[in-house]
Amino acid sequence: SQTIHQWPATLVQPVGSPLSLECTVEGTSNPNLYWYRQAAGRGLQLLFYSVGIGQISSEVPQNLSASRPQDRQFILSSKKLLLSDSGFYLCAWNAPMGTGGRASGNTIYFGEGSWLTVV
Amino acid sequence: AQSVTQLGSHVSVSEGALVLLRCNYSSSVPPYLFWYVQYPNQGLQLLLKYTTGATLVKGINGFEAEFKKSETSFHLTKPSAHMSDAAEYFCAVTPGGFQKLVFGTGTRLLVSP
Repeated sequence: SQTIHQWPATLVQPVGSPLSLECTVEGTSNPNLYWYRQAAGRGLQLLFYSVGIGQISSEVPQNLSASRPQDRQFILSSKKLLLSDSGFYLCAWNAPMGTGGRASGNTIYFGEGSWLTVV
Repeated sequence: AQSVTQLGSHVSVSEGALVLLRCNYSSSVPPYLFWYVQYPNQGLQLLLKYTTGATLVKGINGFEAEFKKSETSFHLTKPSAHMSDAAEYFCAVTPGGFQKLVFGTGTRLLVSP
């Protein structure tokens, strides 16, 4: 079965420090990968998505970047954190369209999330 | 462009009462619709989804939702609330079921004894 892991689960970082959140998916190949952010009291905002290694699409301009160095690895980074970067970050995946199995292309599965507090 | 509106940021019910969480969407193409649940400090878990076919969809934990195209709605219901249903619920839409899942702002369900 497919699983998704992201870490760290919680992180407290000072303003201006770098950030690295990592996400890996197991049990599938060539997944679509996503980073969402959930700010306090707000819905989920899609930050980045990737359909393949080295292919990153950014949904909103921001202080963050994403990379996909391997097929099932997705990394969210920042060189200098801002207070406004605080929030709950969720990694997610789904199978590319056209593949079968339990994880069909029209369902997105989420990791457990990472709480980032910038102080 | 697709969008989702969830009416009511908070809904309070008594244990055993009917749960109704409202979701309206807009989509320029036939939508795929989802409900996710989020328990405190956790990721999102899929409750149910509508893609094509039967408009009444049954999900986990006794929840169901009905796709009404004429009303552009996909409301979530459960006949009898349990304390364990207290969580945040998100409605989401995607055009044709691929990428860029657009979420509503969520509804927090509170269940009192």
